Amino acid sequence: DAKTTQPTSMDCAEGRAANLPCNHSTISGNEYVYWYRQIHSQGPQYIIHGLKNNETNEMASLIITEDRKSSTLILPHATLRDTAVYYCIVHMNYGGSQGNLIFGKGTKLSVKP
Amino acid sequence: EPEVTQTPSHQVTQMGQEVILRCVPISNHLYFYWYRQILGQKVEFLVSFYNNEISEKSEIFDDQFSVERPDGSNFTLKIRSTKLEDSAMYFCASSRLVLNKYFGPGTRLTVL
Repeated sequence: DAKTTQPTSMDCAEGRAANLPCNHSTISGNEYVYWYRQIHSQGPQYIIHGLKNNETNEMASLIITEDRKSSTLILPHATLRDTAVYYCIVHMNYGGSQGNLIFGKGTKLSVKP
Repeated sequence: EPEVTQTPSHQVTQMGQEVILRCVPISNHLYFYWYRQILGQKVEFLVSFYNNEISEKSEIFDDQFSVERPDGSNFTLKIRSTKLEDSAMYFCASSRLVLNKYFGPGTRLTVL
């Protein structure tokens, strides 16, 4: 089972920041926090990942709390094309094994005009 | 930007028939995966493949399933005798390292 808890759905106004929370209270020290999204019927798309520091890329920012028990994905200026299901996944990367991503139900983000 | 491609986009088959789903991973990637998503349900891991062998598989990946990298570019998933419950979207993914996985657009398999 997924080790994360996310709200089932969220709405966001176009042009505003979308802040998607995720709880991962049982995360272990060598597990990363990954975010993927799935636009309707398409393959999951990698967004960002982090271990303990905040991260930013061209798509989003990831804020991880100091105790690493929760995180927030921030889409700074949401557009209608950001409407998707967003998955927060904790994933261990360890030498010699690929591990597999365990997807939960995610958060369905609806960006509205 | 390089992409994972999958063919066909939609496959319809009769129950009991064999199907082969094809994927072309990103060229410099080393790890290859298959996931599936039954309509309305979660994305589920099937198998991972590295260095020409299966490195991990889920309970779903039983003897009816097999994977192969027949040449330097293709990665295939074979289902030997399809069942109705195999109807799903099948996603191929690849990664250079263990970290970011890049998914293809999927093949919709319909078993009649």
